Amino acid sequence: AQSVTQPDIHITVSEGASLELRCNYSYGATPYLFWYVQSPGQGLQLLLKYFSGDTLVQGIKGFEAEFKRSQSSFNLRKPSVHWSDAAEYFCAVQTRGANNLFFGTGTRLTVIP
Amino acid sequence: NAGVTQTPKFQVLKTGQSMTLQCAQDMNHNSMYWYRQDPGMGLRLIYYSASEGTTDKGEVPNGYNVSRLNKREFSLRLESAAPSQTSVYFCASRPGQFTDTQYFGPGTRLTVL
Repeated sequence: AQSVTQPDIHITVSEGASLELRCNYSYGATPYLFWYVQSPGQGLQLLLKYFSGDTLVQGIKGFEAEFKRSQSSFNLRKPSVHWSDAAEYFCAVQTRGANNLFFGTGTRLTVIP
Repeated sequence: NAGVTQTPKFQVLKTGQSMTLQCAQDMNHNSMYWYRQDPGMGLRLIYYSASEGTTDKGEVPNGYNVSRLNKREFSLRLESAAPSQTSVYFCASRPGQFTDTQYFGPGTRLTVL
């Protein structure tokens, strides 16, 4: 069965520390891959996406993600976290040729001063 | 350019009542979507409309109906609300190609008592 897994429900990091959020997928073929961020009480905003090509993808707000086919992973990273990065982060996948997204369950990020 | 707008922002219903959630986009997008977000479950697709005049079921369509009124508007109707439909509902739109980004509205928080 197709699935998207975000194994970390909640992560706490200190401001200025590095961050890595994990995402694994189980699909027959490499899907399109996305990371979205949701600030409290807000809708979702796209951080970055991967369709093909270079496996290291740069996004907005200083985020990047690396697609690793051998591990079926698309982990999100940021070298230095800011307090404003506190939010919930969702990994999402879309089967190539399909119309809709499937979301992971999300990882809530807390940033401590 | 307001993007994706949703009304109302909050709603409380009693079991058995009906209501319609409204969504509109001003970006001339072809595809529109309705998701629900529940704690610990991420976002799940209810219905989508790939283009004006078409609608399709998503993962969790039971208890809902949709109408793609025109290219701008996509409404979600609960005919007889149940407590299990307490959730946050998000509308999204996309230009139309499979690789296009989905843009999300701010959400409607619905409580069914």
